Amino acid sequence: QKEVEQNSGPLSVPEGAIASLNCTYSDRGSQSFFWYRQYSGKSPELIMFIYSNGDKEDGRFTAQLNKASQYVSLLIRDSQPSDSATYLCAVNGGGSTLGRLYFGRGTQLTVWP
Amino acid sequence: ETGVTQTPRHLVMGMTNKKSLKCEQHLGHNAMYWYKQSAKKPLELMFVYSLEERVENNSVPSRFSPECPNSSHLFLHLHTLQPEDSALYLCASSGAKSTDTQYFGPGTRLTVL
Repeated sequence: QKEVEQNSGPLSVPEGAIASLNCTYSDRGSQSFFWYRQYSGKSPELIMFIYSNGDKEDGRFTAQLNKASQYVSLLIRDSQPSDSATYLCAVNGGGSTLGRLYFGRGTQLTVWP
Repeated sequence: ETGVTQTPRHLVMGMTNKKSLKCEQHLGHNAMYWYKQSAKKPLELMFVYSLEERVENNSVPSRFSPECPNSSHLFLHLHTLQPEDSALYLCASSGAKSTDTQYFGPGTRLTVL
């Protein structure tokens, strides 16, 4: 059973702070990693994807991947109340030819003004 | 229309009803997916279609019956559902590579009475 683990939270940070979201996965063969944001009652929307070890930055978001530790994280700098949502970590199954994704339960983030 | 669309957005049905959920993608993708999202549980993959052929059926009860008439359309036919089937049903699409991102539709909120 391939597993993706996230801290369920809730994670609460003040506006302007850095929010750090963490995810570990069990399948060493996984090659692609995704962070989705899901507002209450809405569908998941892609925030970032990362394939290689190291950091990938996109605006206020930075994804970090460490395949040796089977760990992927998402940093949100200058957090805004509009960032309040559930963040889903998704990992593709190693060896899959069709993008079979395994999702964590999500971390609920609240950014307070 | 752009992206991935789903209809209806909300559905209430009795246990003896038959209904269908529809998904359409306008992204030129050739893989489509049905997911179930229940409260406090990770996203559960139900079915995967690639080039209109079902390539994965993730141990889903037979009261859920998918149909993919072409690469842009996906249906989920529902009959004799149970109250525990109440959930958000999400459709997604992607390219065929294992590293391709999946894009989600807005979902259908299903309530079974």
